[in-house]
Amino acid sequence: DTEVTQTPKHLVMGMTNKKSLKCEQHMGHRAMYWYKQKAKKPPELMFVYSYEKLSINESVPSRFSPECPNSSLLNLHLHALQPEDSALYLCASSQDITGDNEQFFGPGTRLTVL
Amino acid sequence: DAKTTQPPSMDCAEGRAANLPCNHSTISGNEYVYWYRQIHSQGPQYIIHGLKNNETNEMASLIITEDRKSSTLILPHATLRDTAVYYCIVRVGWGDKIIFGKGTRLHILP
Repeated sequence: DTEVTQTPKHLVMGMTNKKSLKCEQHMGHRAMYWYKQKAKKPPELMFVYSYEKLSINESVPSRFSPECPNSSLLNLHLHALQPEDSALYLCASSQDITGDNEQFFGPGTRLTVL
Repeated sequence: DAKTTQPPSMDCAEGRAANLPCNHSTISGNEYVYWYRQIHSQGPQYIIHGLKNNETNEMASLIITEDRKSSTLILPHATLRDTAVYYCIVRVGWGDKIIFGKGTRLHILP
């Protein structure tokens, strides 16, 4: 199984809602990532988890809250988002965080904030 | 900021080799060159990576110059399904911050 799955595929939420994005992999990877991609822009790194611990937080606003409950699962909890947070949210995983390991990306969750 | 420079777009005829250049003149000795591509509205797909030597896999070849300041991704027989944005990324050996540049939008012409 060389797949990263993300749910839901699409999400529409209001600015007062709380929602969560889910990412799962069963490749035994110990590093997992969240990226944000605005339309016609490259992906931007948000968070990196290594062995279930937060390794990198790219100064992401606190309305985005990541969680890694186990080595196969990565969540992104969303609260009080703004319309400008509308984007494609991509999850990825790799064997570990050394540079000689490719990242496998999921298909993304397309988020619209009204 | 991204440490790579790529042309914003390129055309290639179907069936011909597509050669995508990338400049990374400030690359350090422990930094890998990675290539990913992103087909419209999908997640990025890993293509190939290398440190110093040229590399080949079932998808593509990666040619890295001897001074490591530039590289070329070669898709040997381009098809319409290769139409995508191709990202060249320089990645440190440890710590794992991937910074995507603007990429090259490759159009395969029938």
